[in-house]
Amino acid sequence: DVKVTQSSRYLVKRTGEKVFLECVQDMDHENMFWYRQDPGLGLRLIYFSYDVKMKEKGDIPEGYSVSREKKERFSLILESASTNQTSMYLCASSYPQGVNYGYTFGSGTRLTVV
Amino acid sequence: AQTVTQSQPEMSVQEAETVTLSCTYDTSESDYYLFWYKQPPSRQMILVIRQEAYKQQNATENRFSVNFQKAAKSFSLKISDSQLGDAAMYFCAYRSENQGGKLIFGQGTELSVKP
Repeated sequence: DVKVTQSSRYLVKRTGEKVFLECVQDMDHENMFWYRQDPGLGLRLIYFSYDVKMKEKGDIPEGYSVSREKKERFSLILESASTNQTSMYLCASSYPQGVNYGYTFGSGTRLTVV
Repeated sequence: AQTVTQSQPEMSVQEAETVTLSCTYDTSESDYYLFWYKQPPSRQMILVIRQEAYKQQNATENRFSVNFQKAAKSFSLKISDSQLGDAAMYFCAYRSENQGGKLIFGQGTELSVKP
């Protein structure tokens, strides 16, 4: 069964902490994505990557960075966590453009910044 | 930039009845894909149905079907014979092949199913 695995289901961090959210996929997908999900706003794209060591900003990249050192792993980094980053974070992966496939999602990390 | 709009934050349906969830989108592209995803309380996003913009025929997957109106930029989801397990958040999404394959999501519609 193919999978996208997010390292934590729930996370509580303090304001100002550096936070790492990890995502691993076992499908050999080229593309990986980080979304943030908030009520009434749907899912908003933070960053995505279409190859190892490549990254592209999404719609709301401020306050976040990413790392993709290996094809299967895509990390989201909150450099200095703030309370407005309290949210649900979803990782996803897919085949590259031109192939008609949807995404495979992880089960999300609910992050609370206090 | 492309946008996706779901104007119904919440919907309710009686078990065994039919419900339609609305979705509109804005794009200047002619080639794209549209999706409906389901997110139950477990949070796992599940692909319900997909539609290629170049296909005129509406996609169908068992009890789920879409009404794709390309000129009107409308992509509604019809759920027939609703079941308790259909209760979830439903997201409409747009995928362009010109932007790295990223998905653009609507705001979501929370569907409840009454027994």
